[in-house]
Amino acid sequence: SQELEQSPQSLIVQEGKNLTINCTSSKTLYGLYWYKQKYGEGLIFLMMLQKGGEEKSHEKITAKLDEKKQQSSLHITASQPSHAGIYLCGADSIAGGTSYGKLTFGQGTILTVHP
Amino acid sequence: DGGITQSPKYLFRKEGQNVTLSCEQNLNHDAMYWYRQDPGQGLRLIYYSQIVNDFQKGDIAEGYSVSREKKESFPLTVTSAQKNPTAFYLCASRQGAKQYFGPGTRLTVT
Repeated sequence: SQELEQSPQSLIVQEGKNLTINCTSSKTLYGLYWYKQKYGEGLIFLMMLQKGGEEKSHEKITAKLDEKKQQSSLHITASQPSHAGIYLCGADSIAGGTSYGKLTFGQGTILTVHP
Repeated sequence: DGGITQSPKYLFRKEGQNVTLSCEQNLNHDAMYWYRQDPGQGLRLIYYSQIVNDFQKGDIAEGYSVSREKKESFPLTVTSAQKNPTAFYLCASRQGAKQYFGPGTRLTVT
């Protein structure tokens, strides 16, 4: 089965600083999702990456998928307190060539941004 | 408003009792999913359904049951056979590549 490892497990930064969260897979990624979660709430979709070398940005958040499709990074520029939360990467679980939409998740990265 | 609703937000039960968590969506999505989240861990898939009247076990289905009698509803029953039922439960639905999540239900069993 596919495993996703996120690093770091937690991150504390000062407002205005840049930061990067990594997500590494034991197998080739066919669909990589980034979600944000406030504690005790549901997941908010951020971005999805499918192609090797793909990069997407939304406001101050940029996500990349490496050429080999086994690692993704999430970069936040000029962090703000509103960026605080848990960031989770998820990947499509492929069985027999079909996804069925089942996602395998990393353990999450807890981000704290101090004003 | 379109979206996924889960109720209740907090649920408390005594050990040995079955409990059913509600999940409703008005997005007209065919596929629906149930995940469990424990502290320090990512989400783990319990059950999923690609279409009405059909569902499949996920990675941790033991002690859980589901039904899919209507497209918009996918209730999850946590049975007394589930050894560690206290957790945060998230329901999701999917259309195409994007998966949408509900607000979650925190279940505490004592």
